[in-house]
Amino acid sequence: DVVMTQTPVSLSVAIGQPASISCKSSQSLVGTSGKTYLNWLLQRPGQSPKRLIYLVSKLDSGIPDRFSGSGSETDFTLKISRVEADDLGVYYCLQGTHFPLTFGSGTKLEIK
Amino acid sequence: QVQMKETGPGLVQTTQTLSVTCTVSGFSLTSYGVHWVRQAPGKGLEWMGIIWGDGSTNYNSALKSRLSISRDTSKSQVFLTMNSLQTDDTAVYYCASITNDYWGQGVMVTVSS
Repeated sequence: DVVMTQTPVSLSVAIGQPASISCKSSQSLVGTSGKTYLNWLLQRPGQSPKRLIYLVSKLDSGIPDRFSGSGSETDFTLKISRVEADDLGVYYCLQGTHFPLTFGSGTKLEIK
Repeated sequence: QVQMKETGPGLVQTTQTLSVTCTVSGFSLTSYGVHWVRQAPGKGLEWMGIIWGDGSTNYNSALKSRLSISRDTSKSQVFLTMNSLQTDDTAVYYCASITNDYWGQGVMVTVSS
């Protein structure tokens, strides 16, 4: 199975400051189609997960452009340019290239 | 408007079989796959398996021997069945169409002896 190593475990960020989360996979996430199925999801407290980014860098509808995704092969990053109060929760990376699908262990974002 | 809703027993005894139903509206089960994802209390997300639009399935290898996913397209329902439950199967169980980012609210299942 592909292991997704996500860091840091937690992050405390002041409003308006940037944040960055890393996700590294144990093998390349480039699929046979040439696409890289790497997603970022946010689970707010008491809610179901919600996807923010798919295919490494594509923003889901309604997601503010303060969020951005980058990376390739085995090394990926989620960045928030200016953290807002609504961004608190646990962020997960999810690879969809190889079965079984696997999630990172999560990064808890707290507002300082 | 798309909705996905899980229903389940709430409490199950150890060694028994869990059955959870996901009722879908707003899209066709023959068009998109439906995943099952679970989350133990205070823990992260674990992918369990998927039933594809054509009815084929893929499972998490760690659960494959105990897990079955099936569906009734006429009722727009997807079923998760897992046997030989243990206390560490206590979790919130979600159904989701990850491709479209549709998720159910989740159903809490407690496994107790």
